[in-house]
Amino acid sequence: DTAVSQTPKYLVTQMGNDKSIKCEQNLGHDTMYWYKQDSKKFLKIMFSYNNKELIINETVPNRFSPKSPDKAHLNLHINSLELGDSAVYFCASSQAGGQPQHFGDGTRLSIL
Amino acid sequence: AQSVTQLDSHVSVSEGTPVLLRCNYSSSYSPSLFWYVQHPNKGLQLLLKYTSAATLVKGINGFEAEFKKSETSFHLTKPSAHMSDAAEYFCVVSLLTGGGNKLTFGTGTQLKVEL
Repeated sequence: DTAVSQTPKYLVTQMGNDKSIKCEQNLGHDTMYWYKQDSKKFLKIMFSYNNKELIINETVPNRFSPKSPDKAHLNLHINSLELGDSAVYFCASSQAGGQPQHFGDGTRLSIL
Repeated sequence: AQSVTQLDSHVSVSEGTPVLLRCNYSSSYSPSLFWYVQHPNKGLQLLLKYTSAATLVKGINGFEAEFKKSETSFHLTKPSAHMSDAAEYFCVVSLLTGGGNKLTFGTGTQLKVEL
């Protein structure tokens, strides 16, 4: 069973479109995260939710809106996609208290 | 504030020889430190973690890391490299926030293993 699963794995779309990436974890963790990995493989946190509440919101354009319908899911919706949004987006989850995070396999977003 | 510096962007070793990936950290608090590995087109997998218990930490696949507070280092080692170790390695420092932990990643070290 996949612990943290993201869909889709690949997403190719045009500038200006709106798209969503879904994430689900079956580990029973309380906290979920979204990270962006750029073309130089640098990883930076975007958002974190604990029990459906937003707790970390880094400097991310408000075109990015996370939504957590329950603590096992954290989806990422992106409006008006721009060329600079091309990256690999990783979802992760963890228990509270500094426990290690478990990552999904990533969604590679390419903007044409 | 916290930060991580990975001193080498690329490391190349021969199969069967030792691996050393270097990491220095900066943290205002007693840090939690991790090493993650990323194979091509895959997510990140936890190799090992340091959380203020033993300073020598053993991880999966024969890797280990030693926490040295005086040197603010957390270098990753393996006695004998295997071809399957070729991947990107990230040193990570963690800051606890309300309900979760905020990870700050190093810029990564790409490990190449040659025959």
